[in-house]
Amino acid sequence: AQSVAQPEDQVNVAEGNPLTVKCTYSVSGNPYLFWYVQYPNRGLQFLLKYITGDNLVKGSYGFEAEFNKSQTSFHLKKPSALVSDSALYFCAVRDGTGGFKTIFGAGTRLFVKA
Amino acid sequence: EAQVTQNPRYLITVTGKKLTVTCSQNMNHEYMSWYRQDPGLGLRQIYYSMNVEVTDKGDVPEGYKVSRKEKRNFPLILESPSPNQTSLYFCASSMSGTGNTGELFFGEGSRLTVL
Repeated sequence: AQSVAQPEDQVNVAEGNPLTVKCTYSVSGNPYLFWYVQYPNRGLQFLLKYITGDNLVKGSYGFEAEFNKSQTSFHLKKPSALVSDSALYFCAVRDGTGGFKTIFGAGTRLFVKA
Repeated sequence: EAQVTQNPRYLITVTGKKLTVTCSQNMNHEYMSWYRQDPGLGLRQIYYSMNVEVTDKGDVPEGYKVSRKEKRNFPLILESPSPNQTSLYFCASSMSGTGNTGELFFGEGSRLTVL
């Protein structure tokens, strides 16, 4: 069965510092991995995805994520945080070898302090 | 503009009063899905549809119905709402053909309160 774990409910970081939001997953086949962001009173927006190829994927707003197969992780990173990055971040996984179901983590709230 | 439109955005209702939350997408996507978002639980899938007239249960389908008579529309029906259905609901769509990686496009959400 597919599952996603986001071990931190909240991440606090100062503006200008690097940020990491953690995600680990479990899927029986090849993982399709996604990050979405949710701003207050808005729907989720797609940030980036890993399907195959280079383990470091780049996405919107300067975010990137590193796929680590041995650790079954897909951590979201940004070299220099902005106050406007404060939002709720969701990691999601889909089994790329069959089916179309996407499973979401519980979400991590990011606070970036000026 | 490519979008997923949900209505209503906010609704307060009472136990047992049937309601429908509409969802429409203008991207010609085959796949559509409904999720509910509850604090600490993330998004849980209620129902999904791979194409017109093809629907299936997600993880939390109890108390909900859906239909897919047209490709663009995927309404969520609560026949007899109960307080435990108070939640934030999201409709999402995606392409689903061979080779598509399935990133989801979300509506803005519908906040439902059942008294």
